Amino acid sequence: RKEVEQDPGPFNVPEGATVAFNCTYSNSASQSFFWYRQDCRKEPKLLMSVYSSGNEDGRFTAQLNRASQYISLLIRDSKLSDSATYLCVVYSASKIIFGSGTRLSIRP
Amino acid sequence: NAGVTQTPKFQVLKTGQSMTLQCAQDMNHEYMSWYRQDPGMGLRLIHYSVGAGITDQGEVPNGYNVSRSTTEDFPLRLLSAAPSQTSVYFCASSYSNGARGETQYFGPGTRLLVL
Repeated sequence: RKEVEQDPGPFNVPEGATVAFNCTYSNSASQSFFWYRQDCRKEPKLLMSVYSSGNEDGRFTAQLNRASQYISLLIRDSKLSDSATYLCVVYSASKIIFGSGTRLSIRP
Repeated sequence: NAGVTQTPKFQVLKTGQSMTLQCAQDMNHEYMSWYRQDPGMGLRLIHYSVGAGITDQGEVPNGYNVSRSTTEDFPLRLLSAAPSQTSVYFCASSYSNGARGETQYFGPGTRLLVL
């Protein structure tokens, strides 16, 4: 089993829709959680950290469920510019582990 | 403030050739790392460094060497290129290894093709 698993997608949704991704992690002692965004042929960039209490940044909401060992990302009122690959990142056992990413495509 | 820079952007090598991928950062970060990204595999850690003079192996270190003589620079050397090393290579830096939620800053990547 991979340490961090994501549904690769692609998720293809219309502009304005709400879309959610989950990411599961295997190590219950994992300490820090992040969502990164990667545009095609570009480097990953931090989208948001994920806190135990959940956090929101504009149209983006991230949540952590330690009991079930997953984190989630919700995007509301999706824009064409949200089309990208979203990487789940977990700090676990002294190392940073990247998920393989979920590809999101927003159609007009 | 240039952030993390990588050179070259693209490179084609023949099997058996050696080369060095350059990485530099101007943010005074202690932690630097090299990843490779292959389709469907996500980012895999090759080598990392927690400060000048200190390096360690990541998940996929075979065929690669690193050194960290200064805080700013962290070059990655391919000793004898193989087609399996065809990939996109990203260098990253941060204040620490992520234990306290530090952001990883990535360079623009080097696309390597080994024939």
